[in-house]
Amino acid sequence: AQKVTQAQTEISVVEKEDVTLDCVYETRDTTYYLFWYKQPPSGELVFLIRRNSFDEQNEISGRYSWNFQKSTSSFNFTITASQVVDSAVYFCALSEETSGSRLTFGEGTQLTVNP
Amino acid sequence: DADVTQTPRNRITKTGKRIMLECSQTKGHDRMYWYRQDPGLGLRLIYYSFDVKDINKGEISDGYSVSRQAQAKFSLSLESAIPNQTALYFCATSDLRPGQGWNEQFFGPGTRLTVL
Repeated sequence: AQKVTQAQTEISVVEKEDVTLDCVYETRDTTYYLFWYKQPPSGELVFLIRRNSFDEQNEISGRYSWNFQKSTSSFNFTITASQVVDSAVYFCALSEETSGSRLTFGEGTQLTVNP
Repeated sequence: DADVTQTPRNRITKTGKRIMLECSQTKGHDRMYWYRQDPGLGLRLIYYSFDVKDINKGEISDGYSVSRQAQAKFSLSLESAIPNQTALYFCATSDLRPGQGWNEQFFGPGTRLTVL
């Protein structure tokens, strides 16, 4: 069965600090997909990134970067030079090839960036 | 206009009432999902549908039912609402990108349901 753990329930940082959100997953499939979503205070879910299990390249998008390590079953998310607008709940999610695109979400990490 | 819409956006009801939450999408996706979000628990899958004739239970389907009226519409019903069904409900859609596995899911704005 697939499982996603986000051990950090809440993180608080001061603006311009770098912050890393941890995500650890469990799966028996060799083919799977990992996702990060952002949920700002307004409540909607915003897709950030999708990564498949065969692509371990790290990715950078502006101030966001993702570190995928199959050896430790982790898919961590780093925000560089955080801003107040980054304050949100961030969810990591997993979809196994055999699950037919169903997503299993982690519990989420509440990030608060203070001015 | 939003690609995935949900109605109502907010609903307060009483224990024992029947409630229907509706979801419509204009993305042309075959796959649709219903999730509920509770504080500290993330999102959990209630039901999902891969096409109009294919409906499947998720991890927490007890107390819920669904109807896929058309490719674009997927409704969630609470036959007899109870207070622990108070939550934020999301509808989502996805499609399959040929040769690249499962796509990301696109979420509606959510329906906040309170059962008194």
